[in-house]
Amino acid sequence: DGGITQSPKYLFRKEGQNVTLSCEQNLNHDAMYWYRQDPGQGLRLIYYSQIVNDFQKGDIAEGYSVSREKKESFPLTVTSAQKNPTAFYLCASSIRTGALNTEAFFGQGTRLTVV
Amino acid sequence: AQTVTQSQPEMSVQEAETVTLSCTYDTSESDYYLFWYKQPPSRQMILVIRQEAYKQQNATENRFSVNFQKAAKSFSLKISDSQLGDAAMYFCAYAPNFGNEKLTFGTGTRLTIIP
Repeated sequence: DGGITQSPKYLFRKEGQNVTLSCEQNLNHDAMYWYRQDPGQGLRLIYYSQIVNDFQKGDIAEGYSVSREKKESFPLTVTSAQKNPTAFYLCASSIRTGALNTEAFFGQGTRLTVV
Repeated sequence: AQTVTQSQPEMSVQEAETVTLSCTYDTSESDYYLFWYKQPPSRQMILVIRQEAYKQQNATENRFSVNFQKAAKSFSLKISDSQLGDAAMYFCAYAPNFGNEKLTFGTGTRLTIIP
């Protein structure tokens, strides 16, 4: 079945460590996005990519990094520079690099906890 | 910068009744898209309904309909014949039609269905 797969579902990180969240899609979508969700807040954009080997910072990119080496993959690394990384992370994709006037498909999310 | 405001953190409705969720937004653009997303306890984001700003006709999807007031920058969601499966967080979202096409989300409304 087509869709977006995020892994792992739950992730624990020790302070000072980098961790990488996986996002894979088999929808042949050009655009991919990473959002962060905190309690009482909506989703906030971390990074997005419109095409392979290109990506742009969103509203809260500090402490995060991404890569887009393949069309189907858009991993997010949470670095030790991210002061408060505990959150729910959602990956999404949309069919083309134009407006999000087509449906954005979301993965099932990764819950990251700093221990 | 665009902002999306959902002023109702929580709402409840009797099963089979109708409920309306409010959303206002602020933008200087004239061409854009508005969305309602549903996030059930599984935390999977699901598109409920979409409205193109250039269309005067309100969008409808089965039991879900919107009241789009462009001049007032208001975009409410009406759920008719509420069902237990409608219980979820509902997020209003905005996306410009061109350029930097990122979704901006509101803080969400938690909808409870009373049997």
